[in-house]
Amino acid sequence: GENVEQHPSTLSVQEGDSAVIKCTYSDSASNYFPWYKQELGKGPQLIIDIRSNVGEKKDQRIAVTLNKTAKHFSLHITETQPEDSAVYFCAASSSSNTGKLIFGQGTTLQVKP
Amino acid sequence: DSGVTQTPKHLITATGQRVTLRCSPRSGDLSVYWYQQSLDQGLQFLIQYYNGEERAKGNILERFSAQQFPDLHSELNLSSLELGDSALYFCASGGTGGYGYTFGSGTRLTVV
Repeated sequence: GENVEQHPSTLSVQEGDSAVIKCTYSDSASNYFPWYKQELGKGPQLIIDIRSNVGEKKDQRIAVTLNKTAKHFSLHITETQPEDSAVYFCAASSSSNTGKLIFGQGTTLQVKP
Repeated sequence: DSGVTQTPKHLITATGQRVTLRCSPRSGDLSVYWYQQSLDQGLQFLIQYYNGEERAKGNILERFSAQQFPDLHSELNLSSLELGDSALYFCASGGTGGYGYTFGSGTRLTVV
C-alpha cells in the first residue's frame, strides 16, 4: 500500500546549526513531494515542494532533495533559528492521481537558542 | 489566515453522540480533503471530494461520512462517537490536481 516513512521523529539542534529530515516513499508513481510545517495549535503550512522532474529545490534557508531511484527525499534547513521549532511533515502524492497526499509521521524539531 | 475556514474550532461531546464539522475551501478550489490527526500521530487521510463528488476514500470509519455541497463547502459527520475519536480534524483544499493544497486551522474534537 501507499506509505511514507519519516525520520527522525524528534530532532534537537543548536541555533545556527543545520537540520536534516529524511523521508522514504513506497509508490514509484508518486510525482509530487511537499513539506509542511505545523506550529502548535495551527494547521500544517506548505513550506516547500518538489516535483519528480527536479532533483533539488532551494528557497532561502530551506532546500529539498529528491532521489527518485532510491525513493528518498529530504528537507534541509540551514542556519536554524528558534522560530523554526515546529513539527515538520513530508508527503508524497498518491498514484491514484486524485491529488491525495500520503503523509509521514512527522518530525518534531527543537532549535535551542 | 490560510483561506480555508473550519468551524467549530473546538468541540466537546459525549460518547454515542453525533457531530458535524464544517469546512469552507479557499475561493476557487474545487477539492476538499479531510484528515484526522490523533495525539502524536501523523495526518491520516479520510476522504476527498471534488466539485461535489467523492473522489478518494481513505481509512474512514463507517460511522463517519462526508459531503460537499454545491457552494463547495464540505461537512464531515461523525456519529456514535467513541473516546478514540478524540483528535484534530483538518480540512484542506486544492485546485485542479490538488498539488500543494492548503490546510485550515482544524477542529479539535474531544469525546468524554
